[in-house]
Amino acid sequence: DAAVTQKPRYLIKMKGQEAEMKCIPEKGHTAVFWYQQKQSKELKFLIYFQNQQPLDQIDMVKERFSAVCPSSSLCSLGIRTCEAEDSALYLCSSSQTEQFFGPGTRLTVL
Amino acid sequence: GDSVTQTEGLVTLTEGLPVMLNCTYQTAYSTFLFWYVQHLNEAPKLLLKSSTDNKRTEHQGFHATLHKSSSSFHLQKSSAQLSDSALYYCALSDLSSGSWQLIFGSGTQLTVMP
Repeated sequence: DAAVTQKPRYLIKMKGQEAEMKCIPEKGHTAVFWYQQKQSKELKFLIYFQNQQPLDQIDMVKERFSAVCPSSSLCSLGIRTCEAEDSALYLCSSSQTEQFFGPGTRLTVL
Repeated sequence: GDSVTQTEGLVTLTEGLPVMLNCTYQTAYSTFLFWYVQHLNEAPKLLLKSSTDNKRTEHQGFHATLHKSSSSFHLQKSSAQLSDSALYYCALSDLSSGSWQLIFGSGTQLTVMP
């Protein structure tokens, strides 16, 4: 199995605080994706990087999130000002062909 | 735009009975279809994939056949096991986009009872 690493596994923030989570994609994978999953249900696409460049993202990410891949071996997703509705599991996946997922960062905003 | 529909949000059945989870899709382009499985507190994992019309693909006792005429990719298993209890996602990738970006269905929670 591919090994996509995400850190931290759990993150607790107060409303209004900044949050940051990291993803280490599988070696050799050129595409990285971030998803938001609430209550073990629908996977909501957030942003997609190809060769470290953001190629597609939803409006929410443009407005309130920051996402970068400073190297081929590290990507990060940040929330500038956490809101209660941001509480979710954030999943990173990487691919060369099909996508492989990391274990996720579970963010709780109090 | 592209979309994937999973009509059942919850499926509960008894161990040993057959499993069928529905998946239909809409796309104007050539596509790959996928099934991902997510066990509790784990990451989604690829279960099956196909881009070939009318060809059955199998893995870990599950199988699915892509039918382009009906835009379907239903997941089946002949006999459910307790360990099959999980969240199942159908997804498609639009090959014309040049990326492996996935469009996911809303997911089906399968619960297998003893």
